[in-house]
Amino acid sequence: GQSLEQPSEVTAVEGAIVQINCTYQTSGFYGLSWYQQHDGGAPTFLSYNGLDGLEETGRFSSFLSRSDSYGYLLLQELQMKDSASYFCAVRPSMNRDDKIIFGKGTRLHILP
Amino acid sequence: NAGVMQNPRHLVRRRGQEARLRCSPMKGHSHVYWYRQLPEEGLKFMVYLQKENIIDESGMPKERFSAEFPKEGPSILRIQQVVRGDSAAYFCASSPLLAEPTYNEQFFGPGTRLTVL
Repeated sequence: GQSLEQPSEVTAVEGAIVQINCTYQTSGFYGLSWYQQHDGGAPTFLSYNGLDGLEETGRFSSFLSRSDSYGYLLLQELQMKDSASYFCAVRPSMNRDDKIIFGKGTRLHILP
Repeated sequence: NAGVMQNPRHLVRRRGQEARLRCSPMKGHSHVYWYRQLPEEGLKFMVYLQKENIIDESGMPKERFSAEFPKEGPSILRIQQVVRGDSAAYFCASSPLLAEPTYNEQFFGPGTRLTVL
């Protein structure tokens, strides 16, 4: 089967740094993405990693290690508005007919 | 350029009625996905469509649920004879027909919150 594992909840303090991990077991691999979803809102795309290494976009960074089937999302200088759920997602192949697989999401709680 | 549009945003139905959810993808996007999300849970894939073609419906219950994406008009997710367990948020997403990494990004609509009384 195909599965993505991420912690169900993480708590951090405003201004701090937090890392949300994602490990995957899929039939193939063609990219790891991260999405953010606020309560009552729609998921929005944050980042994509196709190759090993770190991708940085402002306060958010995403890392991928294909040999370890592992990635993480790093959020720096946490703000209260970062309180949300974060989903990792994997595309198992180049075939456009293969759907993207989503993890169950990590709920990030930020304390003042 | 308008984003993915879904309507209605909220839908209330009594048990046994039909629910019809609509999704208009972003302009230029040829692929549509439907997901279901229960409170405090992740996104559960239901169905993946192109125009006039169902690519993957492995996540959709075999009974009462159907989806279409006609040549003209929005994609429609139809739930017949709704039951209380169908209450959830239903999200539609679309993606363009472009090379990576763009096609790894899905653009989500605001969702339809279905409540079955």
